[in-house]
Amino acid sequence: ETGVTQSPTHLIKTRGQQVTLRCSSQSGHNTVSWYQQALGQGPQFIFQYYREEENGRGNFPPRFSGLQFPNYSSELNVNALELDDSALYLCASSLVGVGKETQYFGPGTRLLVL
Amino acid sequence: GQQVMQIPQYQHVQEGEDFTTYCNSSTTLSNIQWYKQRPGGHPVFLIQLVKSGEVKKQKRLTFQFGEAKKNSSLHITATQTTDVGTYFCAGTQGGSEKLVFGKGTKLTVNP
Repeated sequence: ETGVTQSPTHLIKTRGQQVTLRCSSQSGHNTVSWYQQALGQGPQFIFQYYREEENGRGNFPPRFSGLQFPNYSSELNVNALELDDSALYLCASSLVGVGKETQYFGPGTRLLVL
Repeated sequence: GQQVMQIPQYQHVQEGEDFTTYCNSSTTLSNIQWYKQRPGGHPVFLIQLVKSGEVKKQKRLTFQFGEAKKNSSLHITATQTTDVGTYFCAGTQGGSEKLVFGKGTKLTVNP
């Protein structure tokens, strides 16, 4: 186990609703990245937070937003849900600055939008 | 933008046969990472390669990073049923923290 936890494990929402997903980083890690993994695809980078600041963003619209808290836990918020948002959402924590950039993934949250 | 292509998409082998997956980037990479994802699971970090021409081994797994740092491969010798899963390569470019994943190679092993 990586020590990265995510909640909830599964979620069902309807189109137009809003959702908040949560991630608790591995102890000592100050960076968290969020990914969206559609069925049969590789994870796609949404954004990364380092010390509570956004530190890079992928090609996702502004309705995908995030937060990182002083204890380095993180939230992913998605507004105005669309059917195509149905996916596995993964967070990964890492320790920036040690040159390894190894990321440890959590178990993910499976989101279904109806 | 940066793209990472991976082939083959699927590979089915008999237990004991070898397996190789290839990864190609449209741009020079700072590093390449390999992950394994079991069915229903999440990606698990296997290794990171940083240097041009680097080769690393983990038991039956051999990882290579190309001289131009634009391609990589993962080779598994004498596959076992425990090797089943999808293998992803992922790379970063320059000083970016953005990790770009390939679409993965799904390996099935017939006992």
